[in-house]
Amino acid sequence: DAGVIQSPRHEVTEMGQEVTLRCKPISGHDYLFWYRQTMMRGLELLIYFNNNVPIDDSGMPEDRFSAKMPNASFSTLKIQPSEPRDSAVYFCASSFGTGLIGELFFGEGSRLTVL
Amino acid sequence: AQSVTQLDSQVPVFEEAPVELRCNYSSSVSVYLFWYVQYPNQGLQLLLKYLSGSTLVKGINGFEAEFNKSQTSFHLRKPSVHISDTAEYFCAVSDRDDKIIFGKGTRLHILP
Repeated sequence: DAGVIQSPRHEVTEMGQEVTLRCKPISGHDYLFWYRQTMMRGLELLIYFNNNVPIDDSGMPEDRFSAKMPNASFSTLKIQPSEPRDSAVYFCASSFGTGLIGELFFGEGSRLTVL
Repeated sequence: AQSVTQLDSQVPVFEEAPVELRCNYSSSVSVYLFWYVQYPNQGLQLLLKYLSGSTLVKGINGFEAEFNKSQTSFHLRKPSVHISDTAEYFCAVSDRDDKIIFGKGTRLHILP
């Protein structure tokens, strides 16, 4: 069975450009999480969804970031306009049930470099 | 608010030696604790979790962790490490919310 699928794996873009990261969760999972990983800040939770509804977006850095989940099998994280400080690895994870019971399954990440 | 502190950013250890990776947490309510492992260029994978019951939890690859409520700790141990254990290890906590909050990670370096 396929795991969490993220695309692109690598993205290099210039400051000011729009970036869209994509995630396909594991079929049947009802929770989807977006994390950002940097050397300085570690793994930060940006936003998570339950049954396609955003539950907590308090980790989203600023208005330049937005996330959507139009259906149970697809989510996007968009940065517009991008800045060099957005350079990081962005992970999508899904789970069945809450973090109290369910195990998070992570994708392989999207490495973003903003020049 | 809950938080996780991993006291060591890097831990070097000789192959076949024991290792302990330290984790302390803070939370105002009962917590659920996790250890995840990240191999190079991969996402995180669950090693083990503590939800309730026995305070000694056994996970995959020979790892175990002990929940200590009085010391608010959840240290990860392995009696004998192998070169394949080279990875970054993340401690995580969740309270009655749905969120899982991760520590900053500890890089385990296995020396030959």
